Amino acid sequence: DTEVTQTPKHLVMGMTNKKSLKCEQHMGHRAMYWYKQKAKKPPELMFVYSYEKLSINESVPSRFSPECPNSSLLNLHLHALQPEDSALYLCASSPVTFDRGHNSPLHFGNGTRLTVT
Amino acid sequence: SQQGEEDPQALSIQEGENATMNCSYKTSINNLQWYRQNSGRGLVHLILIRSNEREKHSGRLRVTLDTSKKSSSLLITASRAADTASYFCATVAYYGNNRLAFGKGNQVVVIP
Repeated sequence: DTEVTQTPKHLVMGMTNKKSLKCEQHMGHRAMYWYKQKAKKPPELMFVYSYEKLSINESVPSRFSPECPNSSLLNLHLHALQPEDSALYLCASSPVTFDRGHNSPLHFGNGTRLTVT
Repeated sequence: SQQGEEDPQALSIQEGENATMNCSYKTSINNLQWYRQNSGRGLVHLILIRSNEREKHSGRLRVTLDTSKKSSSLLITASRAADTASYFCATVAYYGNNRLAFGKGNQVVVIP
């Protein structure tokens, strides 16, 4: 079992739907991440939050909207997605971000398998 | 662009054999990390090696790092069926890059 919890495990949504992915950790980590992973590909970084502030946005389309309500929670709001956005969405956390001298591994959740129809 | 890149090999080995996979990267790094991913699951950290280290062991895992060649290898000794997974290396660049970037990954199948 992982210390980073993601819900839901699976999500099917239409292109006009609005949905949210949720991620929670209680390790006291102050950095949280969203990655997108297509089948048989490595994870690709989407967003990084540091101390609840958005630190990195890897030019992600605006139909993906991240939110960090507090230090334990990370959301990813989805709206007007395309079928090519179907993927495994992974949340991760670490004590702090790498630019703060962090040299520790990331802790990943088991992901949300998203299918856009 | 991706920092770490493995040789894109799929390994199929018998239980008890050793599995070796390689990773190369492009720029100076702070550290290099190896992760395992079972099918449909999240990534699990295996081992982290810092840029000033050359070799590290953790149980049946042995990682080497050659910064002059910008490459790393992961050796799994006495493989088990439960080692069947995808293995990714990932790097944090030394200069001005706050990102953990993953390489392409190696699919390892251990046949009982």
